[in-house]
Amino acid sequence: KAGVTQTPRYLIKTRGQQVTLSCSPISGHRSVSWYQQTPGQGLQFLFEYFSETQRNKGNFPGRFSGRQFSNSRSEMNVSTLELGDSALYLCASSLDGRGQFNTEAFFGQGTRLTVV
Amino acid sequence: AQSVAQPEDQVNVAEGNPLTVKCTYSVSGNPYLFWYVQYPNRGLQFLLKYITGDNLVKGSYGFEAEFNKSQTSFHLKKPSALVSDSALYFCAVRVPGSGTYKYIFGTGTRLKVLA
Repeated sequence: KAGVTQTPRYLIKTRGQQVTLSCSPISGHRSVSWYQQTPGQGLQFLFEYFSETQRNKGNFPGRFSGRQFSNSRSEMNVSTLELGDSALYLCASSLDGRGQFNTEAFFGQGTRLTVV
Repeated sequence: AQSVAQPEDQVNVAEGNPLTVKCTYSVSGNPYLFWYVQYPNRGLQFLLKYITGDNLVKGSYGFEAEFNKSQTSFHLKKPSALVSDSALYFCAVRVPGSGTYKYIFGTGTRLKVLA
């Protein structure tokens, strides 16, 4: 069974540009979450999607957005990149049903974004 | 606010010795608890979870964790540490009925197992 796949693995962008990151969840998983990981802030929750609907959103500015497609694949977009957006962006999928909380998340290897 | 605390940034242990990585939580309601491990330049890997039942749960790679409701703790343990266990460990909670499906993570504990 294939794991969570994130593309690209590494990305270098210039301040002011925008970027789109992609995540393919494990087959059958309908919940996809995104996290930002930095040495200083740890793991920060960005948003979570279930069956194409955003169920939860973290405390990030509107420059950070996401979406989920009917095949559960998800993308996140960051517009007007800032130096502080440099981080490892992690995607996770889980076999959630509606109202289900007891499932573990499976993480991709992440996309390392460097903003210069 | 719901939170998870991992009080130690780093834990050092000699190979072959038992290890403990601490986690406490502060939530309203009955949480589900998880442990993850992260190796350099990799995503997080699931180790184990507590949902209900026996307070001692066993997981991957010989790890286990003890749920203590009165102390709101969920410490990760292993009877005999290996050098290959050296990694970053995260505790997480999920709280049914909290209005959010997100996993709330601790800040992580770096485990160093010395040969």
